[in-house]
Amino acid sequence: DQQVKQNSPSLSVQEGRISILNCDYTNSMFDYFLWYKKYPAEGPTFLISISSIKDKNEDGRFTVFLNKSAKHLSLHIVPSQPGDSAVYFCAAQLANAGGTSYGKLTFGQGTILTVHP
Amino acid sequence: DTGVSQNPRHKITKRGQNVTFRCDPISEHNRLYWYRQTLGQGPEFLTYFQNEAQLEKSRLLSDRFSAERPKGSFSTLEIQRTEQGDSAMYLCASSPLGGISYYGYTFGSGTRLTVV
Repeated sequence: DQQVKQNSPSLSVQEGRISILNCDYTNSMFDYFLWYKKYPAEGPTFLISISSIKDKNEDGRFTVFLNKSAKHLSLHIVPSQPGDSAVYFCAAQLANAGGTSYGKLTFGQGTILTVHP
Repeated sequence: DTGVSQNPRHKITKRGQNVTFRCDPISEHNRLYWYRQTLGQGPEFLTYFQNEAQLEKSRLLSDRFSAERPKGSFSTLEIQRTEQGDSAMYLCASSPLGGISYYGYTFGSGTRLTVV
């Protein structure tokens, strides 16, 4: 049961253009969504998160958009740089019945982003 | 503190042998997580500790797997009687209480296990 899906295995963009990475989820009980970046031979690195009560969060070149009705979120990188080339994972946190969470994350399969100079 | 440290970085073992991995989290982090990542997939949750208490185990964690976190500091993950299907990257992560939503976890670089 893949509750978080990244349907595009790879994305290729030109330096300076926008990169848009997409993620879909099925569980409406997810309360936070996070994006991680992973370089080869390293662990994932946290990029940006968004609460389920918001529809946008921005941090420098990175913006995450959340469409709850469509159960869809996206990560926009503007402008894209060659150093952004990595695997990007979408992840979701499930709130427990008490409204808190211990932080267990469900990850998507990842999208390989390649930014060409 | 240089982050989450995992040892060894690579482990090759013969099928049927036991292996143990170690994770040293960021010292002030109460929570410690183990994940497993196979090729082409995202990390999958295995287990979670808050201080020394193991509070949840995934059904992915069969009886051959055991994890400990004595004294709420470092953690070990042991796999007994390894099988080829255990070949994967084993990732450890830590976080402070309440910090996951804004800042995420801090992951280590992982231990890559190859069972031959």
